[in-house]
Amino acid sequence: GQQVMQIPQYQHVQEGEDFTTYCNSSTTLSNIQWYKQRPGGHPVFLIQLVKSGEVKKQKRLTFQFGEAKKNSSLHITATQTTDVGTYFCAGLSGGSNYKLTFGKGTLLTVNP
Amino acid sequence: DTEVTQTPKHLVMGMTNKKSLKCEQHMGHRAMYWYKQKAKKPPELMFVYSYEKLSINESVPSRFSPECPNSSLLNLHLHALQPEDSALYLCASSQGLAGGRRTQYFGPGTRLLVL
Repeated sequence: GQQVMQIPQYQHVQEGEDFTTYCNSSTTLSNIQWYKQRPGGHPVFLIQLVKSGEVKKQKRLTFQFGEAKKNSSLHITATQTTDVGTYFCAGLSGGSNYKLTFGKGTLLTVNP
Repeated sequence: DTEVTQTPKHLVMGMTNKKSLKCEQHMGHRAMYWYKQKAKKPPELMFVYSYEKLSINESVPSRFSPECPNSSLLNLHLHALQPEDSALYLCASSQGLAGGRRTQYFGPGTRLLVL
């Protein structure tokens, strides 16, 4: 079945440093979604990428979708303590497959 | 408004109890989902409803029984649960199941403890 690998599992940074998490799918995706889950919270939708090679920005966050639509990344510039949480990628394959396959997540901690 | 609400926020139940989790959305979404999330793990899909009909059951034990009374409501009935069923139960909804309509919005979840 479809698998989405996400690395790293954990990342600890000093405030102001950059952070990147990567996802790789075993199969071509129709789209990929990114979520942030704060400690004790629930997954909050950040963005959806659909097109091959797509790059989207949200303030300090940059999301990329690979040309082959099998990999994706989330980059945070100049981290802040409010960025703390687990970032999940979740991929959808095409056709009638409705199942969102989640990566295992990257837990980001930020030292002030 | 991308709000999905869930009640209760917390639930403690014994293994012989029967309880229900409730989920509601007023975004006009026609697909609704139940997920189970253990600590430090990603959400695991349990059930998918589309237009109030069960589309996917991810081989979930029968002690979990979903119900979709109408397009805005989703329930999860719990009976004879085991301690290992303790987890965060998340409800999500999306506009539909096709193409770009599959962005899922999650509710705050119900933290369930089975004693």
